[in-house]
Amino acid sequence: DAGVTQSPTHLIKTRGQQVTLRCSPKSGHDTVSWYQQALGQGPQFIFQYYEEEERQRGNFPDRFSGHQFPNYSSELNVNALLLGDSALYLCASSLTSYNEQYFGPGTRLTVT
Amino acid sequence: AQSVTQLGSHVSVSEGALVLLRCNYSSSVPPYLFWYVQYPNQGLQLLLKYTSAATLVKGINGFEAEFKKSETSFHLTKPSAHMSDAAEYFCAVSDRMGGGNKLTFGTGTQLKVEL
Repeated sequence: DAGVTQSPTHLIKTRGQQVTLRCSPKSGHDTVSWYQQALGQGPQFIFQYYEEEERQRGNFPDRFSGHQFPNYSSELNVNALLLGDSALYLCASSLTSYNEQYFGPGTRLTVT
Repeated sequence: AQSVTQLGSHVSVSEGALVLLRCNYSSSVPPYLFWYVQYPNQGLQLLLKYTSAATLVKGINGFEAEFKKSETSFHLTKPSAHMSDAAEYFCAVSDRMGGGNKLTFGTGTQLKVEL
């Protein structure tokens, strides 16, 4: 049973550029959440997708956007990258009727 | 808004000693609480969860946690630490407002296990 997968593993971008991160949920899961984890901190909730719609959103600017596809996979897009966007981006999946979220290994984004 | 506070950003124990990692929560509704572990350069792994059933919750790798409403606490314990337990541990509370299950995490506790 495949767990949550994310791609790419690492990414280096320049300020002002745009980036897309991808996530495939655990088999059978229909809800995908994205978190940002800055160095030395706990993960911060960005948003959650269910039935291809954004259901909840954290305190992140509109530069952060996402999408969920019919197969439940998801993308996180960040526009106009800032140095402060450098972080580990974690994807988590769950079933709507349960609360355990299962996390992927993350994508390490470095903005220079 | 829901929140969790983890007391002690770094905890050091000897191998074989008791592990106690502290977490206090704040919630206006009955909370769902979780402990996750993160090894270096990896994602988060669920250790255990409390979802309003038994107050003493057993998880993987010998860890357990007790929900104490009167103290608004959900501390993580393990009777005997092993070198492989060295990692960062996060307590989290679930916000099920609007049908979602957003997690709010604490700042983490780095556990060091010494010989």
